[in-house]
Amino acid sequence: ETGVTQTPRHLVMGMTNKKSLKCEQHLGHNAMYWYKQSAKKPLELMFVYSLEERVENNSVPSRFSPECPNSSHLFLHLHTLQPEDSALYLCASSQPGSGNTEAFFGQGTRLTVV
Amino acid sequence: GQNIDQPTEMTATEGAIVQINCTYQTSGFNGLFWYQQHAGEAPTFLSYNVLDGLEEKGRFSSFLSRSKGYSYLLLKELQMKDSASYLCAVSPLSGGYNKLIFGAGTRLAVHP
Repeated sequence: ETGVTQTPRHLVMGMTNKKSLKCEQHLGHNAMYWYKQSAKKPLELMFVYSLEERVENNSVPSRFSPECPNSSHLFLHLHTLQPEDSALYLCASSQPGSGNTEAFFGQGTRLTVV
Repeated sequence: GQNIDQPTEMTATEGAIVQINCTYQTSGFNGLFWYQQHAGEAPTFLSYNVLDGLEEKGRFSSFLSRSKGYSYLLLKELQMKDSASYLCAVSPLSGGYNKLIFGAGTRLAVHP
């Protein structure tokens, strides 16, 4: 248990579906992140939220839409995905500051697009 | 940008010592991190280095040389449960948040 909870753990969706991934942390952190982990590829940073404001979007396609309603919750809304979007999606949080504090990761959502 | 290189796979024997290297090219960063990730699980923090030198935490130690663009993770007294992927990551200079740029990870297999 890392203090960051993601739901669902597994998700299978069709290319025309709309679904959302949820991330929750009660660590008092002010920064939250979405990462994508594909097989045999490095963890890729997707989005960064700091103090509930999106501060980075790493050229992520618009079929992925993040939302941060408050400092404890982060969502990733998915629509019209492609099979190559199948991956492990990891949420993380950290306490911003000097840049030397570690990020805590959730267990991830294993997404399969069919 | 940041290019982070690690060996893809390593094997070692239970009770032995293994060193996992990480080289990087980056224009500047706050710290270098090591994470452990078991298959199907979340990455968990192991250690980080800000200054050059060795940081020791029990069976795990990490070393950083900024001038050489080089870090390593040292695992002593290997146990079977240490079989996992080890991820090297840098935290780039950014405005008040701690994003991480990861290498592809090194998959370590510990054998009896």
